[in-house]
Amino acid sequence: GNSVTQMEGPVTLSEEAFLTINCTYTATGYPSLFWYVQYPGEGLQLLLKATKADDKGSNKGFEATYRKETTSFHLEKGSVQVSDSAVYFCALLETSGSRLTFGEGTQLTVNP
Amino acid sequence: NAGVTQTPKFRILKIGQSMTLQCAQDMNHNYMYWYRQDPGMGLKLIYYSVGAGITDKGEVPNGYNVSRSTTEDFPLRLELAAPSQTSVYFCASSKGRDHNSPLHFGNGTRLTVT
Repeated sequence: GNSVTQMEGPVTLSEEAFLTINCTYTATGYPSLFWYVQYPGEGLQLLLKATKADDKGSNKGFEATYRKETTSFHLEKGSVQVSDSAVYFCALLETSGSRLTFGEGTQLTVNP
Repeated sequence: NAGVTQTPKFRILKIGQSMTLQCAQDMNHNYMYWYRQDPGMGLKLIYYSVGAGITDKGEVPNGYNVSRSTTEDFPLRLELAAPSQTSVYFCASSKGRDHNSPLHFGNGTRLTVT
């Protein structure tokens, strides 16, 4: 079946540091890939997405590139802010669109 | 625009008690979902619905029931609460079931069963 694996957390960074959160996936066909973010006390919200190989999703300074050769969708940001502190989830939508599979989430804390 | 509204925000149940978690959306979305979120486990799909009158099991449906009598509402029922059902429950909705239809989540219900 489909699966998503994220780097183990939690991750703690200082403000303005570079962020990478690794995500790899296992799937048949050509899934779509997503990053969702969950701020404290809230539900998840879509951060960015990519729907085919070599697509780059971007939003709020975050980027992720759909790499089919390495089955990866790593999240990056060049300079994190305290307000980026949240839990980040990588997710996969299978080709048929019938199921969204989430990774286990990575807690990010950014200190001033 | 309220989006997806879940009630209650918190609840403590004794083993064997029952309760209903409420979920309502005002975006006229056909698709609705219930997930549970356990620490270090990501989100697991409990049940989902593709429209009023239609429901289907997700990955972890045991111990839960749902109904979808209207487009707006998708309540989740726990009949005999067990400690294993201690979790944070999220309701979500989407317009479609493709990559152009992101999920909209409620703020969650934190349930403790003791």
